[in-house]
Amino acid sequence: DAKTTQPNSMESNEEEPVHLPCNHSTISGTDYIHWYRQLPSQGPEYVIHGLTSNVNNRMASLAIAEDRKSSTLILHRATLRDAAVYYCIPSSGNTPLVFGKGTRLSVIA
Amino acid sequence: DTEVTQTPKHLVMGMTNKKSLKCEQHMGHRAMYWYKQKAKKPPELMFVYSYEKLSINESVPSRFSPECPNSSLLNLHLHALQPEDSALYLCASSQGGVPGTQYFGPGTRLTVL
Repeated sequence: DAKTTQPNSMESNEEEPVHLPCNHSTISGTDYIHWYRQLPSQGPEYVIHGLTSNVNNRMASLAIAEDRKSSTLILHRATLRDAAVYYCIPSSGNTPLVFGKGTRLSVIA
Repeated sequence: DTEVTQTPKHLVMGMTNKKSLKCEQHMGHRAMYWYKQKAKKPPELMFVYSYEKLSINESVPSRFSPECPNSSLLNLHLHALQPEDSALYLCASSQGGVPGTQYFGPGTRLTVL
């Protein structure tokens, strides 16, 4: 499993963009980069995934470095409901997800 | 519909009790998972079922016994648990194969007295 490094915590003001970084320098060529988040007292929730190109969906954008050793999850306008632990998980899809410690995002009104 | 349901939401049991956790999905997913999550820690994988067969057991003690009666249902049978087994138990499912997106249930909060 690829090892990931994420900041323990980050803070953002409401309505501001948030950039959540993740280093995954040992990622294999077949690993997708998945992002999940876990709101308080809930199960993890899929956010986005990508392989090489940047990706956008209704929740967020994913920017992947050209060498694929790092990625950044971008929340374009943080809301109070985005306060959660965000997990970056490299996975080929043929193995279960292995969660690291993640980044706890706090959003200030 | 991307819903995984888990029952019960909360469970309190004594160390001599036998109880079961239930997980259900109707997305046609062929892989189902049990994770355990202690407070302020990330989820840890316990078991994986693929096409109703146990494919991964992460050295989980035998007091936890998984069962997959059919492709939509996953159970976790609990017997003679210890207080340190108190945790949030999460069920997930996926289509299998790439990219491997997993959908999680809300979890069962288990307290062992």
